[in-house]
Amino acid sequence: GAVVSQHPSWVICKSGTSVKIECRSLDFQATTMFWYRQFPKQSLMLMATSNEGSKATYEQGVEKDKFLINHASLTLSTLTVTSAHPEDSSFYICSAPGQGITEAFFGQGTRLTVV
Amino acid sequence: AQSVTQLGSHVSVSEGALVLLRCNYSSSVPPYLFWYVQYPNQGLQLLLKYTSAATLVKGINGFEAEFKKSETSFHLTKPSAHMSDAAEYFCAVSEGFGNEKLTFGTGTRLTIIP
Repeated sequence: GAVVSQHPSWVICKSGTSVKIECRSLDFQATTMFWYRQFPKQSLMLMATSNEGSKATYEQGVEKDKFLINHASLTLSTLTVTSAHPEDSSFYICSAPGQGITEAFFGQGTRLTVV
Repeated sequence: AQSVTQLGSHVSVSEGALVLLRCNYSSSVPPYLFWYVQYPNQGLQLLLKYTSAATLVKGINGFEAEFKKSETSFHLTKPSAHMSDAAEYFCAVSEGFGNEKLTFGTGTRLTIIP
């Protein structure tokens, strides 16, 4: 089946620094990718929809200047958490729709801890 | 707008017993429904999906779910629980092909009692 690779799987950073998370579709092209955030013991909440070659679409309440999304190619989307704060600590997961089928494939997730 | 409600944030069953995880949905269009499983610190793995074909859907690891439009439900079942089934389970809904943005339920943590 289709594979989505997310990197890094975990990262610890200092407050005020920026962290970049990559999401790659390994064996298919993805013009759209989705970024979710999951706080401990909670469900996944959609943050934004990443669109290849155009601006991302952010969900209500998500700061676009803080969570920068770039979808520069058909196989790569990146999420950059800028000026990270401890409250940004969370599990971030990306997904990409499979071509021609009604299914989204998920990356392994990134555990971000801001200290 | 679409939404998903999962009744019971925690479910415990004995090994070998029936597993029943409940999911009710709300959607303004015919929904596509999914069940995902998540193991600690990992991404999501698709168990099964309903995409307007057969109402009884069989998935991996012996799980199945039945779409009941009259009850707006999509409950997940497994006849006999195994220790390896212990995980977090999420029900999700989308508007279907071409709009795979998922809305997730709050999740149900399944614990298997030896």
